[in-house]
Amino acid sequence: AQTVTQSQPEMSVQEAETVTLSCTYDTSENNYYLFWYKQPPSRQMILVIRQEAYKQQNATENRFSVNFQKAAKSFSLKISDSQLGDTAMYFCAFMKRGVGNEKLTFGTGTRLTIIP
Amino acid sequence: DAGVTQSPTHLIKTRGQQVTLRCSPKSGHDTVSWYQQALGQGPQFIFQYYEEEERQRGNFPDRFSGHQFPNYSSELNVNALLLGDSALYLCASSLWVLAKNIQYFGAGTRLSVL
Repeated sequence: AQTVTQSQPEMSVQEAETVTLSCTYDTSENNYYLFWYKQPPSRQMILVIRQEAYKQQNATENRFSVNFQKAAKSFSLKISDSQLGDTAMYFCAFMKRGVGNEKLTFGTGTRLTIIP
Repeated sequence: DAGVTQSPTHLIKTRGQQVTLRCSPKSGHDTVSWYQQALGQGPQFIFQYYEEEERQRGNFPDRFSGHQFPNYSSELNVNALLLGDSALYLCASSLWVLAKNIQYFGAGTRLSVL
């Protein structure tokens, strides 16, 4: 079974600053995906960024980037030039690779507040 | 293109009752997964439907059951409700395209059991 751990229940940062959210996971699988999802007060889970474990290059999406360390089973999210709209719960999630394995295992989340 | 839609948005039930939640997947998506998110927690996988069959199931009792219709929409049924079933229930739909699968979530149904 897979487990995902987010050790920072809450974080806050000034607008325009950079913030890094941590995530570690445990798995015996070699092929898998890792995700960061954002859940604003509207409750809808929104995909922020996706990483394929077999790719060594870290994924980036505009202001969002990850630091994927496969050997250490670490997957942190960096948000640059933070904006008020980034205020939300952020969840790290794991999914095994392959058709029929579309089950996401989530961490407990980090509540991020961007301060004006 | 409508995203994943769930109904109702909010529901109040009493212990022992039964409830049905509904989900319409994103257009073209053939796989529907259901998650339970307790207050202050991450979502927990309940089960997944593909081609009208339950394909995977998480650690939830048989009181939780589901169905998928030919148009890929899905229902989640919970019998004999307990206070601990109070949670946000999220539906996610997905489709494999070029070896890539991304799950899109609805806004959820907030279930309160009194």
